[in-house]
Amino acid sequence: GAVVSQHPSWVICKSGTSVKIECRSLDFQATTMFWYRQFPKQSLMLMATSNEGSKATYEQGVEKDKFLINHASLTLSTLTVTSAHPEDSSFYICSAPAGEGRETQYFGPGTRLLVL
Amino acid sequence: DAKTTQPPSMDCAEGRAANLPCNHSTISGNEYVYWYRQIHSQGPQYIIHGLKNNETNEMASLIITEDRKSSTLILPHATLRDTAVYYCIVRRTLDDKIIFGKGTRLHILP
Repeated sequence: GAVVSQHPSWVICKSGTSVKIECRSLDFQATTMFWYRQFPKQSLMLMATSNEGSKATYEQGVEKDKFLINHASLTLSTLTVTSAHPEDSSFYICSAPAGEGRETQYFGPGTRLLVL
Repeated sequence: DAKTTQPPSMDCAEGRAANLPCNHSTISGNEYVYWYRQIHSQGPQYIIHGLKNNETNEMASLIITEDRKSSTLILPHATLRDTAVYYCIVRRTLDDKIIFGKGTRLHILP
């Protein structure tokens, strides 16, 4: 299957700082990528759709000024958590569609963010 | 969007077949059924998907009822490494989004 990577795998930061998370498609191109967030013992929640060459589209209730998304190339999307607070501590996961007809979503390994 | 219903948890003995059910009674005719699993602290892993016919790959089999209102994921010989949360998902038709439900937490017992 297709491979999606994320960097960093974990990050600890102080409250008020910004954190950037990268999502890369390693062996395929992705005009669209998706960002999810997962709190402990909960399911994945879709945050936004990252679109190469255009603005990201956000799910209802997700603050676009808080979670900045940039899809700089066909293999890279970045999520920046601005002015992070402890409640932003979570597991952030990206995905990208690949394969014949882009039928299958492949997920990255996730980035664990802890805001102190 | 079609939604899915799964049991919150299941147990299965190691070496036996694990049969995970999923109800999707409001599925549309052109919506696929996807299965993913998430092992603790990892990203979800694609398992299998299907539209109408039963499907099999190296990981699992997917049995879809004729009316497409339910399906079963079968892990033929469960191992301890199959312990995970299994998500049954109906893929939205309007775009590529995948919306996760609560899934089934499968425990493989030694």
